[in-house]
Amino acid sequence: SQTIHQWPATLVQPVGSPLSLECTVEGTSNPNLYWYRQAAGRGLQLLFYSVGIGQISSEVPQNLSASRPQDRQFILSSKKLLLSDSGFYLCAWSRDNNSPLHFGNGTRLTVT
Amino acid sequence: TQLLEQSPQFLSIQEGENLTVYCNSSSVFSSLQWYRQEPGEGPVLLVTVVTGGEVKKLKRLTFQFGDARKDSSLHITAAQPGDTGLYLCAGFRGGGNKLTFGTGTQLKVEL
Repeated sequence: SQTIHQWPATLVQPVGSPLSLECTVEGTSNPNLYWYRQAAGRGLQLLFYSVGIGQISSEVPQNLSASRPQDRQFILSSKKLLLSDSGFYLCAWSRDNNSPLHFGNGTRLTVT
Repeated sequence: TQLLEQSPQFLSIQEGENLTVYCNSSSVFSSLQWYRQEPGEGPVLLVTVVTGGEVKKLKRLTFQFGDARKDSSLHITAAQPGDTGLYLCAGFRGGGNKLTFGTGTQLKVEL
């Protein structure tokens, strides 16, 4: 069966510090991978998605970047965090286009 | 601009009541999905609807996709405290590699 791992679960970082959130998927090959951000009790905003190694599409201009160095690894990064980067970050995978997404348990990021 | 608007945003009801959540858009979607999310966790898929006019039932939950594939509804019969959570609709457009989420409906069912 397929599993998705996302870490850390919570993170408190000072303004101006770098960020690296990692997500890995097991049990499937060449998945579509996604990073979303969610405000409290609200819908999810798509940040990045990837349909293959090295292929990254950015949905909104922001202080963040994403990379996919391996088939089942997706990394969300920032060189210098802003207060506005605080939020709940969710990684997800899908088997292919138009397939349901399977989410990790998220990372709660607080920038102080 | 939010492509998928959900209403109501918040809903607090008593156990045993019925409720309907709406998901509306001016855009056409190739398919639409409903997810439920609990605090501190990722959303979990409930159902996918693909055909305009399609109705799917999942125990006490009934999902409908609009004829024009622009809107959807979720009806819960005899709500229970275990139904409490954030309900999210989400739709694929075009090539199907971008899933756009609705604004969310926070449901609380009390004893």
